[in-house]
Amino acid sequence: GAGVSQSPSNKVTEKGKDVELRCDPISGHTALYWYRQSLGQGLEFLIYFQGNSAPDKSGLPSDRFSAERTGGSVSTLTIQRTQQEDSAVYLCASSATGKTEAFFGQGTRLTVV
Amino acid sequence: AQSVAQPEDQVNVAEGNPLTVKCTYSVSGNPYLFWYVQYPNRGLQFLLKYITGDNLVKGSYGFEAEFNKSQTSFHLKKPSALVSDSALYFCAVRVSGGSYIPTFGRGTSLIVHP
Repeated sequence: GAGVSQSPSNKVTEKGKDVELRCDPISGHTALYWYRQSLGQGLEFLIYFQGNSAPDKSGLPSDRFSAERTGGSVSTLTIQRTQQEDSAVYLCASSATGKTEAFFGQGTRLTVV
Repeated sequence: AQSVAQPEDQVNVAEGNPLTVKCTYSVSGNPYLFWYVQYPNRGLQFLLKYITGDNLVKGSYGFEAEFNKSQTSFHLKKPSALVSDSALYFCAVRVSGGSYIPTFGRGTSLIVHP
């Protein structure tokens, strides 16, 4: 596709369940970011992948959060034992080598009930 | 460390009037600065960036921003606002030669009244 694709668009889950969020970056983009957007809180950095380098996980809020990127392309963000405070919009972005701006997907709205 | 401040949660302007959305930043080194716009239920859309060169940067949809090093600011401007410009605007910064991870401000809601 032409842009960053995220699925699902919306996810409602029960507290304590695990969820997986998927991001399909723009083809050829080597950098991939995950951010979390909570109401009134702006964008919170979660994790950054660059090529085959070890990811920068410094923004992950707890060990319940993890992410992987397979084959330098698709990424999956996993949240284990979801809590109500995990409710937010999860945004994925990618950028090309040598480019400074990132391109965002439409996000996954996660609601934990 | 790098940070961005957007001092206004909301900016109201009448259609046809000029608009300004404020952004100040803090980095240890030379900044790369960005503006993004988010329409309801959409992801962020890139508007413009400052990397180096001219302090006045022009971007999409008639928007521009002025880099002011002494005031550490990068305010977004448009000479004549449209109702369709109503959206959430985010300023972001990262340091040249440093982390590739941009830090975003909390966002400013722009409301353009007919």
